[in-house]
Amino acid sequence: EVQVVESGGGLVQPGGSLRLSCAASGFTFSDHYMDWVRQAPGKGLEWVGRIKNKANSYTTEYAASVKGRFTISRDDSKNSLYLQMNSLKTEDTAVYYCARVVLCSGGRCPRPMDVWGEGTTVAVSS
Amino acid sequence: DIQMTQSPSSLSASVGDRVTITCRASQSINYYLNWYQQKPGKAPKLLIYAASSLQSGVPSSFSGSGSGTDFTLTISSLQPEDFATYYCQQTYSAPSTFGQGTNLEIK
Repeated sequence: EVQVVESGGGLVQPGGSLRLSCAASGFTFSDHYMDWVRQAPGKGLEWVGRIKNKANSYTTEYAASVKGRFTISRDDSKNSLYLQMNSLKTEDTAVYYCARVVLCSGGRCPRPMDVWGEGTTVAVSS
Repeated sequence: DIQMTQSPSSLSASVGDRVTITCRASQSINYYLNWYQQKPGKAPKLLIYAASSLQSGVPSSFSGSGSGTDFTLTISSLQPEDFATYYCQQTYSAPSTFGQGTNLEIK
């Protein structure tokens, strides 16, 4: 079964750090770009960032709201994706989703996210 | 950043109705537009990609159209399981951005 499972969420104080993990299975993880998306309580979806595959130099991209504070990394040998979150703010409180980006093989391919985890909850509060 | 604006923000409809949700981009995004459905407490689900391509396993009652800046998601005949929140997403340029969502409720 193709799936991704997030872990590592919890309660952290403002200014603190947390590392989220995402374990992938059922597909060739190393081929895919991977995204993080978050959703604050009662709010809409916010794209956090992306890491590309080895063929694209593991390039990362981030939303302005997290750039410089969050770092996305991956370990293809462990089929795992990570989100290191530093200098956390109360506005980072959200459910964080890991999502697989569709592989492109020609044609119209806007790289949507086709496999999502159930999410892990991060609460930033004193 | 490219801003995505959905309308309406909420919509009440009945089973069997045809509904249309609109998404407008602040600049041209060609066909780089995806639609997702999200139910309470669940992860989003990909419905439509590249503006009009139906994701595998998604009912044919869902369809998408548009290019450039204006896009629509249409549900031809609402089923009880279709009541949810719908989001558009542009992947034309980083950072990717979502619309604010359209909450589709039962009338």
